[in-house]
Amino acid sequence: EPEVTQTPSHQVTQMGQEVILRCVPISNHLYFYWYRQILGQKVEFLVSFYNNEISEKSEIFDDQFSVERPDGSNFTLKIRSTKLEDSAMYFCAIRVAETKNIQYFGAGTRLSVL
Amino acid sequence: AQTVTQSQPEMSVQEAETVTLSCTYDTSESDYYLFWYKQPPSRQMILVIRQEAYKQQNATENRFSVNFQKAAKSFSLKISDSQLGDAAMYFCAYSMYSGGGADGLTFGKGTHLIIQP
Repeated sequence: EPEVTQTPSHQVTQMGQEVILRCVPISNHLYFYWYRQILGQKVEFLVSFYNNEISEKSEIFDDQFSVERPDGSNFTLKIRSTKLEDSAMYFCAIRVAETKNIQYFGAGTRLSVL
Repeated sequence: AQTVTQSQPEMSVQEAETVTLSCTYDTSESDYYLFWYKQPPSRQMILVIRQEAYKQQNATENRFSVNFQKAAKSFSLKISDSQLGDAAMYFCAYSMYSGGGADGLTFGKGTHLIIQP
């Protein structure tokens, strides 16, 4: 199973601040995903990223969010002007196969907005 | 839009017994993937088993197996010889069959599995 590292494991921020969550896949993959899980709720798809551009995004992924892969390695999720309701676990996932949508998840970043 | 329904918020089973977790889904697609993910208290999402809709044979992975009923749009997970380490939230997930597209997974609300020693 491919290894996906997410940093930090826990991020605490003040409301209104910007945060950047990072995902570092060990191997070179083409497909990247971000998901969100509010405590006690189901995992929700945010965005997928392929060939250095957004492939698909959900209704949750509004102008407050952005993704990029600035150095060809790290895959980042930026959340601008954080709100209390942004507090959640954020998972990065990667896909290893071109045609089979089998996704492997990182351990997640717990974001706490105070 | 695709939906995934897990009707059992919580299930309990005795250690070494067998338990079945239910999942139904709704889609108009004929080709797709179905998954079961396990989320222990650490909250890591761990892939347990997957099923490709075009395959009639039910997937198995050691003590884990599925009962895939395509016509009924049902995808249940059977855990045999339950172990204490199986205690976790289990999420059923759906994905379109990607011919190169980067499709996100649609998850159910999860079933909390308790293992009684």
